Amino acid sequence: AQTVTQSQPEMSVQEAETVTLSCTYDTSESDYYLFWYKQPPSRQMILVIRQEAYKQQNATENRFSVNFQKAAKSFSLKISDSQLGDAAMYFCAYRTSAYSGAGSYQLTFGKGTKLSVIP
Amino acid sequence: EAGVAQSPRYKIIEKRQSVAFWCNPISGHATLYWYQQILGQGPKLLIQFQNNGVVDDSQLPKDRFSAERLKGVDSTLKIQPAKLEDSAVYLCASSLTTGGTGAFDYGYTFGSGTRLTVV
Repeated sequence: AQTVTQSQPEMSVQEAETVTLSCTYDTSESDYYLFWYKQPPSRQMILVIRQEAYKQQNATENRFSVNFQKAAKSFSLKISDSQLGDAAMYFCAYRTSAYSGAGSYQLTFGKGTKLSVIP
Repeated sequence: EAGVAQSPRYKIIEKRQSVAFWCNPISGHATLYWYQQILGQGPKLLIQFQNNGVVDDSQLPKDRFSAERLKGVDSTLKIQPAKLEDSAVYLCASSLTTGGTGAFDYGYTFGSGTRLTVV
């Protein structure tokens, strides 16, 4: 079974600065997808960025980018020019890419990192 | 497009009572998921539907939890009788995923969840 570990329960960053959230995972699969989700107090999980394991290029979405190290099974999220609206819980998640019966496509989440942005 | 709708937003019940949650997925999304998110943890899959059939319910406590998806659209999740440890946020999500055909869309859309408190 896959596991996802987020070792930073809480992080803080000054507004306009850069912060990196860490995530490691364990899997025996070679092809899979990784995601970062943001969960504000409204509770809705919002997709921030996704990465296909077969792609060597790190994904980027505006101020959000990832550092994907497949061999090390590491998937960190970098938020540049942090804004007050970035304050939320951030979850790293894993999803298999191949259909293999029951449980396929479910997301396996880490425990999350609470990000505070200091004005 | 309209998002995933869930109700109620909050629910407080006494232990041993019953409760039901409702989810209306995005129109056309074949796959529907119910996740349980206990405070301080990431969401955990309870059950996955493909149209109106159950794909995976291996993590659903079947002695007290039940779920159905009539006509492949709306879904209800029921707990009877509730225990204190069922206090959590219950998230519904949907996606276009078509499962075993190989077609794949990792575009999960989550609802805002129902916060259940069992006292």
